[in-house]
Amino acid sequence: EPEVTQTPSHQVTQMGQEVILRCVPISNHLYFYWYRQILGQKVEFLVSFYNNEISEKSEIFDDQFSVERPDGSNFTLKIRSTKLEDSAMYFCASRGPGPPYEQYFGPGTRLTVT
Amino acid sequence: GESVGLHLPTLSVQEGDNSIINCAYSNSASDYFIWYKQESGKGPQFIIDIRSNMDKRQGQRVTVLLNKTVKHLSLQIAATQPGDSAVYFCAENMGNYGQNFVFGPGTRLSVLP
Repeated sequence: EPEVTQTPSHQVTQMGQEVILRCVPISNHLYFYWYRQILGQKVEFLVSFYNNEISEKSEIFDDQFSVERPDGSNFTLKIRSTKLEDSAMYFCASRGPGPPYEQYFGPGTRLTVT
Repeated sequence: GESVGLHLPTLSVQEGDNSIINCAYSNSASDYFIWYKQESGKGPQFIIDIRSNMDKRQGQRVTVLLNKTVKHLSLQIAATQPGDSAVYFCAENMGNYGQNFVFGPGTRLSVLP
């Protein structure tokens, strides 16, 4: 069964450093998403991406964040200058044209900012 | 700053019993809802969805009920099994299918042997 993959599984970085979280969505999917989940809290939407552009973003997704689909398979989330409060699990998701509008989630990348 | 975690409501059920997990959603304009299951250390996994023009939808061992009048969703799991132990989230879509989903805080389901 096809699945969304994410690398790395755990990233430790120092405050102020840039990080890039990588995702390989399911191959025939067209809609891509990033979510984050701070430990013990609920899943929060960050951004959605379709047709090579951002279609929607939340208040969390400020100028420190960017997304890119550099080639036909990868989807990346960049945090330009990490802060302590960026520590969280980051989930990538993708979906097909729908219905159903099911988003398939990857296993997540745990980002720890020290 | 200090991060305060949510205290997740917990539902404990005996193996074989039925489980009912509830969710209150926030926006009366939401027209699409998904229930997700999240096991420890994994990403959310789709269980079942429902559109606002329905009030009930059944899947394999699961049923979702939607009451738009009181903005309430429930997930019923029949014959609960140990593998059902997880955190369950409802997610509502604010009127544009498949885009920004707002997740609820979740309920932890513990299945007792």
